[in-house]
Amino acid sequence: NAGVTQTPKFHILKIGQSMTLQCTQDMNHNYMYWYRQDPGMGLKLIYYSVGAGITDKGEVPNGYNVSRSTTEDFPLRLELAAPSQTSVYFCASSYSVPGTVYYEQYFGPGTRLTVT
Amino acid sequence: QKEVEQDPGPLSVPEGAIVSLNCTYSNSAFQYFMWYRQYSRKGPELLMYTYSSGNKEDGRFTAQVDKSSKYISLFIRDSQPSDSATYLCAISGGYQKVTFGTGTKLQVIP
Repeated sequence: NAGVTQTPKFHILKIGQSMTLQCTQDMNHNYMYWYRQDPGMGLKLIYYSVGAGITDKGEVPNGYNVSRSTTEDFPLRLELAAPSQTSVYFCASSYSVPGTVYYEQYFGPGTRLTVT
Repeated sequence: QKEVEQDPGPLSVPEGAIVSLNCTYSNSAFQYFMWYRQYSRKGPELLMYTYSSGNKEDGRFTAQVDKSSKYISLFIRDSQPSDSATYLCAISGGYQKVTFGTGTKLQVIP
């Protein structure tokens, strides 16, 4: 199992450009998440998905969009990039069953994005 | 008031020392408490998880939860240079929503 994979590892984006960060998991997990991590700020949830076709906003969704057409993939779209979106982006997944409230989240290696 | 507060460090200790990492939280509804370890330029990985007050031990690591004080701790005994990483506390009220602390950077000096 590769676990959670993310591409690209690094990227420099110009202000106003758009791009998509890719995330794929091969563990058949139903839940997937996107976080951003800024120095001294911890992990902030951007969007999450409880299954294919279902997504919801997290704590900091502005400037981002997501879709989940398959169980495996959960791409994050940045529209009209701004310097404030310079960050490290982590995708994660977890598996839950009815009646159980928490399962371990498995993280990808991250994408380091600079908007300049 | 932040939901989770964690001293960012950095914390530097000699090899073999006992390390104490701590977090406080504000919402008594939180029931699940976790510690994630994050090596430099890597994603976080779950180290320990507990949902009750008291201690939980796993090898050199002990997680401690005091719900009355809203205080959680991670102790590392006989610390090793390979323990050098950032440690993030995380808390959850259930149903997959997790709030992370800012992380404490630990360096263990050989």
